[in-house]
Amino acid sequence: SAVISQKPSRDICQRGTSLTIQCQVDSQVTMMFWYRQQPGQSLTLIATANQGSEATYESGFVIDKFPISRPNLTFSTLTVSNMSPEDSSIYLCSVEGRGLVTNEQFFGPGTRLTVL
Amino acid sequence: DAKTTQPTSMDCAEGRAANLPCNHSTISGNEYVYWYRQIHSQGPQYIIHGLKNNETNEMASLIITEDRKSSTLILPHATLRDTAVYYCIVAAGTYKYIFGTGTRLKVLA
Repeated sequence: SAVISQKPSRDICQRGTSLTIQCQVDSQVTMMFWYRQQPGQSLTLIATANQGSEATYESGFVIDKFPISRPNLTFSTLTVSNMSPEDSSIYLCSVEGRGLVTNEQFFGPGTRLTVL
Repeated sequence: DAKTTQPTSMDCAEGRAANLPCNHSTISGNEYVYWYRQIHSQGPQYIIHGLKNNETNEMASLIITEDRKSSTLILPHATLRDTAVYYCIVAAGTYKYIFGTGTRLKVLA
């Protein structure tokens, strides 16, 4: 499995500011994914980020609020813009597995964001 | 909406087998069943997956019914470190996972 790191691991931010979360993988991967996990809830997919193309956002998530960059095959960033307390969540990135047939994902440790 | 249904919580005695059920009655023929677990808000950890045959690896066994409408994840000898939320997901040809609410497994000493 891939080794995935995220920075920061946690942060406390003020309302109205923005935070950029970094996701680094130890090997080249085509597909990277960003999830949100609100307190006490399950994971929700925000967007899929492929290198060389615009990110694809899921229903309820927009680029202006969650801009994503994917400059190369080992790195991606997610920005949470103009934050409000409702954005307090754990944000996780994941990458595709190595299976030729199946579609397992491997997840990073997450970034715990608290917005005051 | 998630395509799977799992019990909200389960307890298991340490050393015993933990059997976690999952219903996926609307599963399509090309969809795989994946199991992940999340320990104390860490990133989910991949456990096992299967299509229609039973599967076993070093972590667990996956039993899929013949009609593929349900499956069971088996942790053969549960330890305290297996306490986690376990997610069952069905997906095919895409990495687009839809997570349900999962089962909160508590392993008791």
